[in-house]
Amino acid sequence: GQNIDQPTEMTATEGAIVQINCTYQTSGFNGLFWYQQHAGEAPTFLSYNVLDGLEEKGRFSSFLSRSKGYSYLLLKELQMKDSASYLCAVYNTDKLIFGTGTRLQVFP
Amino acid sequence: KAGVTQTPRYLIKTRGQQVTLSCSPISGHRSVSWYQQTPGQGLQFLFEYFSETQRNKGNFPGRFSGRQFSNSRSEMNVSTLELGDSALYLCASSTWTGLDNEQFFGPGTRLTVL
Repeated sequence: GQNIDQPTEMTATEGAIVQINCTYQTSGFNGLFWYQQHAGEAPTFLSYNVLDGLEEKGRFSSFLSRSKGYSYLLLKELQMKDSASYLCAVYNTDKLIFGTGTRLQVFP
Repeated sequence: KAGVTQTPRYLIKTRGQQVTLSCSPISGHRSVSWYQQTPGQGLQFLFEYFSETQRNKGNFPGRFSGRQFSNSRSEMNVSTLELGDSALYLCASSTWTGLDNEQFFGPGTRLTVL
C-alpha cells in the first residue's frame, strides 16, 4: 500500500525555526516534493529531493533519507506569511501521492 | 508565461447531475494531472494524461473520467454526482521529462453538490 504521514497541525512563533516531518511507505520512489498551500489557493512548489541529504533554498531546507523513508522541511526565521499547509508528496512511477498536509500557524 | 488555468472556478450542482471541468496547462507542458482535495482526505490523485493518453489512474470510481486534447488542454467529467463529490478539483501540468518533474497547479474548481 501507499502511506504518507505528516503531523496534522503545528504552531510556531514568528522568527523561530520549525521542522515538519514526513514519513512514507510506497511501492516505488522516484523523488519527494514539498508544496506550500495557503488557504483557498493552489499548492506551490517548494522543493524536490531525489538523493539523500539536505537541499537548502533560502529560508527553506528539505532533507531526505531514502533508507528510512523519511523527509523533513525546515523553515527558518518564520514569518506570519508562512502560515499555510505544507504538503509532502512522493513521486511514484509517474504519479504524485500526497500526504494529508500539515497546517502551520505562525503567531507573533 | 501564463500559468495553469481552470474553468469554471466555482460550480454548484445537484445530486445525479454531471459536470465537466476544464484545465489549460502551461504552454509546452504535455502532462496534465487531476486531483481531488477534501479537508479529510487531502489531495488525492485522480488521473494523469500525457499526449492525449491516460497514463496513470488513481482509485476513483468509473464516474470520474477525463480526456486530453491535441493542444494538451484537458477535461474532467463526473457523472451521477454524489454529495461526497463536493471538493476542490485541482489540475497540475508538467513537462514530466524525468529530469524536471515539478508540477504547476491551477487555482482549482470548487464543486459543491447539493
